[in-house]
Amino acid sequence: SAVISQKPSRDICQRGTSLTIQCQVDSQVTMMFWYRQQPGQSLTLIATANQGSEATYESGFVIDKFPISRPNLTFSTLTVSNMSPEDSSIYLCSVERGPSTDTQYFGPGTRLTVL
Amino acid sequence: QKEVEQNSGPLSVPEGAIASLNCTYSDRGSQSFFWYRQYSGKSPELIMSIYSNGDKEDGRFTAQLNKASQYVSLLIRDSQPSDSATYLCAAYTGGFKTIFGAGTRLFVKA
Repeated sequence: SAVISQKPSRDICQRGTSLTIQCQVDSQVTMMFWYRQQPGQSLTLIATANQGSEATYESGFVIDKFPISRPNLTFSTLTVSNMSPEDSSIYLCSVERGPSTDTQYFGPGTRLTVL
Repeated sequence: QKEVEQNSGPLSVPEGAIASLNCTYSDRGSQSFFWYRQYSGKSPELIMSIYSNGDKEDGRFTAQLNKASQYVSLLIRDSQPSDSATYLCAAYTGGFKTIFGAGTRLFVKA
């Protein structure tokens, strides 16, 4: 498995501001993933972050709104920019592990409320 | 579009009973399947993975895979109130892509 930490664990933000969420892993991983989970919903993949290259965004998510950094093999950040109440959600980072790197392990999540 | 479908529930079982959770997946090329447990307010926690047709047992949990029917299930024996959670089924479709189902809420009555 993996030990993954996220900061902050929760935040309440004002409309129009930005929040950067940090994800730290206890060992080097190739791929890190950022998900959003809205209340009562399943996980929606925002983007995949590979160290040393630009993040790959899923349909409906754009870099200007969700810029991602991946400066090394144990760390990534996701910024939620120009926030609106619709961005209120839980944001989760995950990493791939396992013999065929197909297994994902999740961080504890960041609960974001936008007023 | 690749999908994983689950009954949203809630599935309610008495303590000590067997809870049976099911999911189907649309991508026949999927090779790896996972069950995650998610307690309210917490992040998903991996409880089982299965790669081959048949059953895989781990303690009170048994995962079942039928690739011909594109069907995955999770059985929880001797269900406990602490098993009350949402269970997410997931399929790895390749290229670092994992598709998650919407989850089934399980409620175990004491």
